[in-house]
Amino acid sequence: DAKTTQPTSMDCAEGRAANLPCNHSTISGNEYVYWYRQIHSQGPQYIIHGLKNNETNEMASLIITEDRKSSTLILPHATLRDTAVYYCIVLTTSGTYKYIFGTGTRLKVLA
Amino acid sequence: GAVVSQHPSWVICKSGTSVKIECRSLDFQATTMFWYRQFPKQSLMLMATSNEGSKATYEQGVEKDKFLINHASLTLSTLTVTSAHPEDSSFYICSAPSQAGYEQYFGPGTRLTVT
Repeated sequence: DAKTTQPTSMDCAEGRAANLPCNHSTISGNEYVYWYRQIHSQGPQYIIHGLKNNETNEMASLIITEDRKSSTLILPHATLRDTAVYYCIVLTTSGTYKYIFGTGTRLKVLA
Repeated sequence: GAVVSQHPSWVICKSGTSVKIECRSLDFQATTMFWYRQFPKQSLMLMATSNEGSKATYEQGVEKDKFLINHASLTLSTLTVTSAHPEDSSFYICSAPSQAGYEQYFGPGTRLTVT
């Protein structure tokens, strides 16, 4: 079973920040949080990942709570091209690094 | 960055025939690759882990005799859907982990339609 919980869908106005939450209350101390997105009929695309500290790259910021039970992906200035399904994944560290996808959040950026 | 390709990008086949889908890591070696299936408006479901030089590991509920996986080289894994039926129609995606960390590189997917 997926180890994450995300809202099914969200809307965001173009140019505004999109904040996508993820609940991972059973995360273990050595498990990372990864975020990917999937634009319609394409393979998922890596966005960002983190362990404890907040992270930022050219695409997004990742805020992880101190207890690590939840995180938020922030797209600072959403554009229409950011419309996609966003997946939050907690990496199982069983040695195979396999991903278990949850249902994801369908983000729709509105003009 | 690293790229994973899939071939074909889409395929239509008749019920009862077999279809082979290729997954290639283009500029890096991958001793492990993963295969996923995705039905419309649903999430990706992990089917199996493909291991170079050894047998694939299948997730619970995935028929290994129906979905044959071969990982004959460090850059190629193949998924063969045997005796395909309309219910096998789906979007099949492969991925390979990066060598530096846990990031996965995903292929563009293969859309299979069985008529």
